[in-house]
Amino acid sequence: DAGITQSPRHKVTETGTPVTLRCHQTENHRYMYWYRQDPGHGLRLIHYSYGVKDTDKGEVSDGYSVSRSKTEDFLLTLESATSSQTSVYFCAISETADGYTFGSGTRLTVV
Amino acid sequence: KNEVEQSPQNLTAQEGEFITINCSYSVGISALHWLQQHPGGGIVSLFMLSSGKKKHGRLIATINIQEKHSSLHITASHPRDSAVYICAAQDMDSNYQLIWGAGTKLIIKP
Repeated sequence: DAGITQSPRHKVTETGTPVTLRCHQTENHRYMYWYRQDPGHGLRLIHYSYGVKDTDKGEVSDGYSVSRSKTEDFLLTLESATSSQTSVYFCAISETADGYTFGSGTRLTVV
Repeated sequence: KNEVEQSPQNLTAQEGEFITINCSYSVGISALHWLQQHPGGGIVSLFMLSSGKKKHGRLIATINIQEKHSSLHITASHPRDSAVYICAAQDMDSNYQLIWGAGTKLIIKP
């Protein structure tokens, strides 16, 4: 969907290095989310944001931090990547009366 | 017990068949979502329901709030409908977070 973009689409990084994934929206939606998707687990919420500088933890937040300094950008940071963080990461946006819109995903491999 | 349960887990059908995927939930919800994910692909929101029925093309979604049950139907199924279909409950008490079903993998054979 053109209203939400994730970058990068693919990344390979080494264990112990910091990694930042970016989610950018042009819809001016209040809520933004970071999910990870792994085989056998479906989608799991990492962190979410309900406004600029307002964020909260999801069910699998350990090892991740987020920042939202502008409505349109939601950054996910892995401070020190581990192999267990190899996954596909999806960003999503939503607004009160609307459904969810998902980004195309970022495939992250930690070697 | 999972708060959102889908059935069947896997479904294989012939082109043209009528498809039904079921979703039951145990929490209070403000809405129920149906989403689609093609292999290796992104996630697309199909429907957001809080009551009744919605239709989009060959897809129909229904919800029964009293029974805490929703169904996704596909009429005149086609191989391009092959995908994973996921229902997700929007918990009324948790800031629009979603409780995810495990997904139904649908394969439509030509």
